Amino acid sequence: SAVISQKPSRDICQRGTSLTIQCQVDSQVTMMFWYRQQPGQSLTLIATANQGSEATYESGFVIDKFPISRPNLTFSTLTVSNMSPEDSSIYLCSAKLTFNEKLFFGSGTQLSVL
Amino acid sequence: LAKTTQPISMDSYEGQEVNITCSHNNIATNDYITWYQQFPSQGPRFIIQGYKTKVTNEVASLFIPADRKSSTLSLPRVSLSDTAVYYCLVGGDRNRDDKIIFGKGTRLHILP
Repeated sequence: SAVISQKPSRDICQRGTSLTIQCQVDSQVTMMFWYRQQPGQSLTLIATANQGSEATYESGFVIDKFPISRPNLTFSTLTVSNMSPEDSSIYLCSAKLTFNEKLFFGSGTQLSVL
Repeated sequence: LAKTTQPISMDSYEGQEVNITCSHNNIATNDYITWYQQFPSQGPRFIIQGYKTKVTNEVASLFIPADRKSSTLSLPRVSLSDTAVYYCLVGGDRNRDDKIIFGKGTRLHILP
């Protein structure tokens, strides 16, 4: 199994600023993902964080807005840039240990943009 | 990636068995079926995974018919703490790493 630590757990930010969310896994994983979840909604995949290379973004999400880093097999960051109130959401980090392995999730970052 | 369809919401009572069915008509040969549970203010957590027939663990059972075009998650004798959103996912080819796309899920509400 894997334990994922995500921080901050919540933040309130001003419009136009940026926030970086950190995700640390206690073991080496093959894949890491970032999701967004609006209240009462399902999870939306933002991107796959690739180790040592640029992330793979889903439709509707771009690197300039959501830059992602993954410098090694256990750590990733997601930055929400130039925030607006529409970015208010829960952001979730997840990881898989091996092929076809189940997903493990962090506890999420609840972001509110004023 | 195969699309999944499941009921938006369900209500049940404590002590009853709850069955949530998921349709996945376009499931591929190498796809597995996985269910996750999500409580408010938490990330989803794995419940059970199967490929065919029946799988049982300490939490739930998963029934998959021979054509694999649907699956049923069975929760025995539910309690109030089973109130959560349940997601059915299809994918996970063993030969490659797949991104995982969540559907809308089923919001299960257990009543006393």
